[in-house]
Amino acid sequence: ELKVEQNPLFLSMQEGKNYTIYCNYSTTSDRLYWYRQDPGKSLESLFVLLSNGAVKQEGRLMASLDTKARLSTLHITAAVHDLSATYFCAVDWVNYGQNFVFGPGTRLSVLP
Amino acid sequence: SAVISQKPSRDICQRGTSLTIQCQVDSQVTMMFWYRQQPGQSLTLIATANQGSEATYESGFVIDKFPISRPNLTFSTLTVSNMSPEDSSIYLCSVAQGLTDTQYFGPGTRLTVL
Repeated sequence: ELKVEQNPLFLSMQEGKNYTIYCNYSTTSDRLYWYRQDPGKSLESLFVLLSNGAVKQEGRLMASLDTKARLSTLHITAAVHDLSATYFCAVDWVNYGQNFVFGPGTRLSVLP
Repeated sequence: SAVISQKPSRDICQRGTSLTIQCQVDSQVTMMFWYRQQPGQSLTLIATANQGSEATYESGFVIDKFPISRPNLTFSTLTVSNMSPEDSSIYLCSVAQGLTDTQYFGPGTRLTVL
């Protein structure tokens, strides 16, 4: 059974600081997705990482994938309040696009 | 990406009743997915719905409790049957699109069972 873990589960940080969210998974996969969820809202796709060494950046967020270590990171640079949300990683295994297993989520709060 | 709508957006239901949730997509898609998100929790896949075939249910979910219809390539319904307070959750539908097979999610249906 595939297990997906995230660390930390809760993160409170000051504006302007940097931090990294980690996503570990237990079985071989080369497809990993990051989503954002605002309170009371649905999920928004942030990044798709499709191979070992993949790196994607959008604004203050950068995601990377190390398939050998079964690890993805979501790095936050110079955090701003608007980044406050819950971030989920999801691993796709078995059949492409069909079997997403989500991590528990990291609830990020950026304080002024 | 696909535009996905769900109805109802929220509902409050009595124990023992059933609720049918609709999911409409603005383009034809092969597979649609139904997830449950319990309060403060992550997403759990309930089932995968393919047009023209029976839905495939994940461990812990059964057709009698969560019957699914998929009459065409743009529409699906999920029924939550014989509801109990433990069924109070957000139910989301999603579709996989594009070369990256990214799943895109509907706005969700927030269900409260009293």
